[in-house]
Amino acid sequence: RKEVEQDPGPFNVPEGATVAFNCTYSNSASQSFFWYRQDCRKEPKLLMSVYSSGNEDGRFTAQLNRASQYISLLIRDSKLSDSATYLCVVNDGGFKTIFGAGTRLFVKA
Amino acid sequence: NAGVTQTPKFQVLKTGQSMTLQCAQDMNHNSMYWYRQDPGMGLRLIYYSASEGTTDKGEVPNGYNVSRLNKREFSLRLESAAPSQTSVYFCASSDPDRGDGNTIYFGEGSWLTVV
Repeated sequence: RKEVEQDPGPFNVPEGATVAFNCTYSNSASQSFFWYRQDCRKEPKLLMSVYSSGNEDGRFTAQLNRASQYISLLIRDSKLSDSATYLCVVNDGGFKTIFGAGTRLFVKA
Repeated sequence: NAGVTQTPKFQVLKTGQSMTLQCAQDMNHNSMYWYRQDPGMGLRLIYYSASEGTTDKGEVPNGYNVSRLNKREFSLRLESAAPSQTSVYFCASSDPDRGDGNTIYFGEGSWLTVV
């Protein structure tokens, strides 16, 4: 079993749609959680951290369920510019950071 | 802000050749990393350096060596390149003591092809 698992997609959605990505992780002792965004042939960049109480940044909402070891990302009112690969990332509190393989999103006009 | 800078951006090597990927960060981070990214595999850690003067193996260290030259610079060396090392390489840095959950900042990547 992979340490961080994501649905690879691709997700094809029209502009304005709401789309949700899910991620599961295997290490119950994991301490920090993130979503990164990676554009084609570019480096990953931090999209947002994920907190236990859930958090929102504009059109993006992240949720964490420690009991189920599950992380989600919700994107509302999708824009063409949201097309990218979204990486679920888990850190053990030290130097072990595990990246999921990513979920590809295509937003169509 | 430069952030993390790595060179070269593109390189083609013949099997058996050697090369060094260079990386520097200007964020005064203690920790630096080298990852490789292959289709469907996600990012995999090759080596990391928790602080100046230390280096440790990651998930896929075989065929690579690293040097933490100083706090800013962390290089990755392929001594005898193999086709299996064709990949995109990312240098990264972070500072676990800054209270940001060890957010990792990446360089722009180096595309390496071994023929």
